[in-house]
Amino acid sequence: GNSVTQMEGPVTLSEEAFLTINCTYTATGYPSLFWYVQYPGEGLQLLLKATKADDKGSNKGFEATYRKETTSFHLEKGSVQVSDSAVYFCALTHGSSNTGKLIFGQGTTLQVKP
Amino acid sequence: NAGVTQTPKFQVLKTGQSMTLQCAQDMNHEYMSWYRQDPGMGLRLIHYSVGAGITDQGEVPNGYNVSRSTTEDFPLRLLSAAPSQTSVYFCASSDPSTGARDEQFFGPGTRLTVL
Repeated sequence: GNSVTQMEGPVTLSEEAFLTINCTYTATGYPSLFWYVQYPGEGLQLLLKATKADDKGSNKGFEATYRKETTSFHLEKGSVQVSDSAVYFCALTHGSSNTGKLIFGQGTTLQVKP
Repeated sequence: NAGVTQTPKFQVLKTGQSMTLQCAQDMNHEYMSWYRQDPGMGLRLIHYSVGAGITDQGEVPNGYNVSRSTTEDFPLRLLSAAPSQTSVYFCASSDPSTGARDEQFFGPGTRLTVL
């Protein structure tokens, strides 16, 4: 079945460091891929998405490229800030049924220190 | 717009008790879903609905019931609470008509503890 695997956390970085959070997936068909972010005490917010191979999603300085050949969608940011501290979830659509269902990775906690 | 709202924010139950988690959205979204979030497991789909009167099971439906009598509301019922249902519950909605049906909007969550 479809699944998403993220790198284990927590990830601890100093402010202005480069961030990579790895995400790989297993899926039939052509899923859309997403990164969601969850700030402390809040629900999830869509950070960025890509709907087909080689698409690059970007938002708030974060980027991720849909790599079909490596089944990956790694999240990157060139210079993190303390305010980026949150839990990040990689997700994909549930097959081709297009009913809005998502499959999530286990989440990666990012802590950025001043 | 208030977006997706959930009540209560926190709840403590004893084993065997029943309760309903409320979820409402004011965006006229057709699709609504319930997820539970457990440490190290991400979010797992419990039930979902593609419109009023239509519901279906997700990955972990056992012990939960849902109904969708209106577009706005999608309550989740725990029939007989068990400690394994201790979790954070999120409701989400999305709009298929915009072509962005996979962009889900999440509520703030309900933290449930079953003793």
